[in-house]
Amino acid sequence: GAVVSQHPSRVICKSGTSVKIECRSLDFQATTMFWYRQFPKQSLMLMATSNEGSKATYEQGVEKDKFLINHASLTLSTLTVTSAHPEDSSFYICRAGGGRDQPQHFGDGTRLSIL
Amino acid sequence: SQQGEEDPQALSIQEGENATMNCSYKTSINNLQWYRQNSGRGLVHLILIRSNEREKHSGRLRVTLDTSKKSSSLLITASRAADTASYFCATDTQGGSEKLVFGKGTKLTVNP
Repeated sequence: GAVVSQHPSRVICKSGTSVKIECRSLDFQATTMFWYRQFPKQSLMLMATSNEGSKATYEQGVEKDKFLINHASLTLSTLTVTSAHPEDSSFYICRAGGGRDQPQHFGDGTRLSIL
Repeated sequence: SQQGEEDPQALSIQEGENATMNCSYKTSINNLQWYRQNSGRGLVHLILIRSNEREKHSGRLRVTLDTSKKSSSLLITASRAADTASYFCATDTQGGSEKLVFGKGTKLTVNP
């Protein structure tokens, strides 16, 4: 069964809405989680690294005020897309760190569509 | 940032044939991982190969790693229609922080 649960799987909303995406590790504690963005027919691009109990680390070019990350517990990280616009429409996927040299666990992704 | 490159970008074969996908990367790595993604879904881990390993098998999957050429290949033998998906390589770089950098992927279509 799934070891990482991501919710919701799909969101359709109007421009200007803020959208929260949750990523939960089900059977293990994850001090680190990763958020990726994937455009159609493209690869996954790392947006940020979410660290439990501390601030997230954002990749170059990713606006931290636009994509708010909270990792308040060892099993939950959230990504909030604030004041979303059509260009934010994408597929967002979280990953829970399984440790170095271990298989990694991904959520099933969230398809975000901003009208 | 470093990013792997897969080739081919798209591959279409008949059921029963073998499929080979290649991945190249740029920097030193701890390990290289292959993932599968069905359309609109998350990623499923297939195989992890460490930098000191040269070949690994898992069922119908065979992965090779050539660190001198900074390349890896994924072979799927006796393909099935259910193998239709996108396949990505991802590298865990040395000295990194568990970040995985993904290649562009190969879209595999297996025709029944």
